[in-house]
Amino acid sequence: EAGVAQSPRYKIIEKRQSVAFWCNPISGHATLYWYQQILGQGPKLLIQFQNNGVVDDSQLPKDRFSAERLKGVDSTLKIQPAKLEDSAVYLCASSLGDRYNEKLFFGSGTQLSVL
Amino acid sequence: RKEVEQDPGPFNVPEGATVAFNCTYSNSASQSFFWYRQDCRKEPKLLMSVYSSGNEDGRFTAQLNRASQYISLLIRDSKLSDSATYLCVVNSGYSSASKIIFGSGTRLSIRP
Repeated sequence: EAGVAQSPRYKIIEKRQSVAFWCNPISGHATLYWYQQILGQGPKLLIQFQNNGVVDDSQLPKDRFSAERLKGVDSTLKIQPAKLEDSAVYLCASSLGDRYNEKLFFGSGTQLSVL
Repeated sequence: RKEVEQDPGPFNVPEGATVAFNCTYSNSASQSFFWYRQDCRKEPKLLMSVYSSGNEDGRFTAQLNRASQYISLLIRDSKLSDSATYLCVVNSGYSSASKIIFGSGTRLSIRP
């Protein structure tokens, strides 16, 4: 079974530039998550989609971050403009959408360095 | 107060030792609980779910105490390959959606 695919694997940009990340979840998974993981910390939820609708984006810095999930499958996360503190690993995860036994499958992540 | 709190460690124990981690959560309505393992520079992977009655998977035992709002992970006969960060995960969702919250992780290092 194919896992969660993410690209790019690494990205280095300068502050104030824009960047976009792409995620393709496991086929049939209704729920898709974007997490930000800063070095030494646990993953922090940025946004959660159920099919193509947003369930939770309370921790998404909406002045600079945006995300969409077209047709309830692939998703993109964009940062515009980037700040130094955005340097982190951006993890995409998907799950079947079973509310009581939600097991997440993660992609390999995109490591972002903002200089 | 954080929704999910863990001792960050690091725990440094010899091979063969038994080690235990605890995790506390703040939302008493939380529905389900998990332990994930994250190797250095890798993505988190599900280690095991945590059930109310407690559950075991080989050398790993997970316990849930709803009254005190904590979960634990016990690793017996630790191996070098157990060295990783262990993430406590709580589903605090309600209505029709889950809300998956990760703790900050506990680092474990097994020495020969």
